[in-house]
Amino acid sequence: SAVISQKPSRDICQRGTSLTIQCQVDSQVTMMFWYRQQPGQSLTLIATANQGSEATYESGFVIDKFPISRPNLTFSTLTVSNMSPEDSSIYLCSVLSLASSTDTQYFGPGTRLTVL
Amino acid sequence: GDSVTQMEGPVTLSEEAFLTINCTYTATGYPSLFWYVQYPGEGLQLLLKATKADDKGSNKGFEATYRKETTSFHLEKGSVQVSDSAVYFCALKTNSKLTFGKGITLSVRP
Repeated sequence: SAVISQKPSRDICQRGTSLTIQCQVDSQVTMMFWYRQQPGQSLTLIATANQGSEATYESGFVIDKFPISRPNLTFSTLTVSNMSPEDSSIYLCSVLSLASSTDTQYFGPGTRLTVL
Repeated sequence: GDSVTQMEGPVTLSEEAFLTINCTYTATGYPSLFWYVQYPGEGLQLLLKATKADDKGSNKGFEATYRKETTSFHLEKGSVQVSDSAVYFCALKTNSKLTFGKGITLSVRP
């Protein structure tokens, strides 16, 4: 299984500012994803982070609001831009290694974001 | 599109009670099915999975059987413990994309 770390684990931010969340994996993985879990809600896929190219965003999410980078096979960042209280959520990094014999997707511990 | 429906919660049980958490799905093709668990203050963990019809996933005393005819993947445990208190998510995967249900909170009292 993959071990995933995220930084920061939590933050409290002011409206209008931006926060960058980092995701580091202990092994090379094929696919990396970013999810949002709003209070009391399920997980929603924001985008798939592609190495060396633009991320693939799901309906309702745009690059200007959630820019994503993935410079290599073990690291990705998600930025939440121009934040509002509605962005208060847990943001989770997730990985999948297609090289393994399983299609299991692993999740990081999450970043709990509160926007005031 | 793909979707997962879980029974409404929260659920509160006494220790050693029998647990069933219902999950049904709608998907194109033949999805893989998963149960994830989120313990208080921790990240999401895979609990069990099944990749084809009639497969039974099992882990830590929990079981779920992939029922294609009823498009269901209900989670069961014969005797719950206080340590099973957590949020449980049913999910399906098609084309490398995971779709989650809303999750249900289980509280087990001593």
